[in-house]
Parts: sequence; structure tokens; C-alpha cells
Amino acid sequence: DGGITQSPKYLFRKEGQNVTLSCEQNLNHDAMYWYRQDPGQGLRLIYYSQIVNDFQKGDIAEGYSVSREKKESFPLTVTSAQKNPTAFYLCASSIAGRYTEAFFGQGTRLTVV
Amino acid sequence: EDQVTQSPEALRLQEGESSSLNCSYTVSGLRGLFWYRQDPGKGPEFLFTLYSAGEEKEKERLKATLTKKESFLHITAPKPEDSATYLCAVQFSPNYGGSQGNLIFGKGTKLSVKP
Repeated sequence: DGGITQSPKYLFRKEGQNVTLSCEQNLNHDAMYWYRQDPGQGLRLIYYSQIVNDFQKGDIAEGYSVSREKKESFPLTVTSAQKNPTAFYLCASSIAGRYTEAFFGQGTRLTVV
Repeated sequence: EDQVTQSPEALRLQEGESSSLNCSYTVSGLRGLFWYRQDPGKGPEFLFTLYSAGEEKEKERLKATLTKKESFLHITAPKPEDSATYLCAVQFSPNYGGSQGNLIFGKGTKLSVKP
């Protein structure tokens, strides 16, 4: 079955540590996205990538980094510079260059302890 | 200023009680409007895409409509399993700026359907 896989589902991190969230898709989509979801707020865009080896900052990129070395993979690193990292993180993908729907993974809940 | 506003924030219905959820947007240059359903602790599940005013899409008990400034998600005779948060997202023309036509989400409407 085609889809988007995020791992892990739950992640705990100590303050001051970097952590990497995994996102893999087998939908053959060129575009991939990372969103952050907090209670009472809409999804906010962190980073997006329209093609391999290229990515752009979204609305809240500070304290995050990404890479896009393969079409299928778009990992997100939450660095120690992110002041409030506890959140629900969602990865999505879509066909690039067209106004079509994005499909989401099941999310990773990150908690800083 | 919110670009995408969903109302109400929460809606409680009795099973079989039909109602509508609203999604309004304030910026011109709409390229697509999307509805998603999200269950607690899960990622959003795609429901509908609407592209132009007057367009309608239907799936089981759900019907989505679009005007020039808003969209409605009509729920007919809802069942408890329809309980979820419904998200609306829009894509604007890349010339609008920001994230070049990426999805801009509303805060969602949490729907509860009691048996």
C-alpha cells in the first residue's frame, strides 16, 4: 500500500539534545512537507521540499533543519535551538507543481523532558 | 490576521442532527480548498478538494461546497463515528508570497456526535 510513514510515533528528548524525526513515502511524490501542530492552533509549515537536494524554509523554520537526499525521504531534525519543541509533528507529500491535495503521515509526538 | 477561519470551534450534535461547518478565507487568488478529517493522535485524512465557486463534492454523509469567500462542510444525519476534528486548508497563488502556494490551515472544528 502506498503511503507516508513517520517514525517513531512517540519521542522523548532531554533539553539540549538534537533529535531526528523520520518521514518516508512511497507515493512517488516530488513535494514533501513538515508541519507542526499545537493545541488550539492550525498546522504551521516548518520546511518544504519540491525536489531532491532542494528545500525551503516555511513559516516557523527557526530551530529546525532538514535534508532531502532521496525522493522518498525527508527527515526533520529538531535542534537544541528550538525553544519550545514539544509538539505533534506531521509530514506530508504531494505532487509538485500542481494545486492538489497533500497526504499526511500519522505523526510523531515529541516531548521534551 | 487569520487568513483561514473555521467556525464553530466546537460543535456537539445528537446522532441524526444535521449541521454545517464553515471555513472562510480572506485572501484572493484561491487555487484550491481542501477538507481533512483528523482523529485524536492521528494525521489528517484527506476528504475533498474544491477549486472553483459553485463546486460541490460528496462522500457518504459529507458534502462540501465552495463560494468565493467560504466553504461549507455539510453533515447529514451524522453518526458517532463522524466525531473528529475537521480541518480546512487553502492554497493561494504563488504570487501571494509566503510559502509559494503551500497549504494554509484553519484551526479546525471539533465535532462530537452523541448517540
